[in-house]
Amino acid sequence: NAGVTQTPKFQVLKTGQSMTLQCAQDMNHNSMYWYRQDPGMGLRLIYYSASEGTTDKGEVPNGYNVSRLNKREFSLRLESAAPSQTSVYFCASSIDGQPGSQPQHFGDGTRLSIL
Amino acid sequence: QQQVKQSPQSLIVQKGGISIINCAYENTAFDYFPWYQQFPGKGPALLIAIRPDVSEKKEGRFTISFNKSAKQFSLHIMDSQPGDSATYFCAHTGNQFYFGTGTSLTVIP
Repeated sequence: NAGVTQTPKFQVLKTGQSMTLQCAQDMNHNSMYWYRQDPGMGLRLIYYSASEGTTDKGEVPNGYNVSRLNKREFSLRLESAAPSQTSVYFCASSIDGQPGSQPQHFGDGTRLSIL
Repeated sequence: QQQVKQSPQSLIVQKGGISIINCAYENTAFDYFPWYQQFPGKGPALLIAIRPDVSEKKEGRFTISFNKSAKQFSLHIMDSQPGDSATYFCAHTGNQFYFGTGTSLTVIP
């Protein structure tokens, strides 16, 4: 099925380990986003990429880095994982390149636990 | 910073009843108010959206009402069904995009 694909679906890390969450979309969308979802907090924007070659911080960027590898792929990296980063991470995409635009399609998430 | 406040946090409705979820916003520099539906283990999916120059929008059993003077907008689910059981998020566009904190809806058969 066309859409947004995230890998891995589940991951357990130890404090201090690093990892990269992968995201790819096949809808030729310009904009891509990374959110984290925590109970009672809704979804909060970590980073977004309005178009290929650009990235910007969202509401909660500390402890994360991103790479917009090409138009299809947008990765999220945790350099030194902390227990506070235990969350469900969602990648999303939208057709246009405005920073405040609504994400149109979401992946099914990566459930990340940090011990 | 909470740009939009959503209530209630959880909601239980009998099959056939009306589910109502409310959101209130602060900043008036928003131009689009979407609602998302999320099933367990899945990402949110865009359900319905409204612009502030429209007071109501209906799609099937789902209706958004918008009250610009009160800075509020709400989602009504008519004839609620068990398949509507999910978490619903309001949201708005602007300089950035913000989600509400979500409402867990359970429709009892």
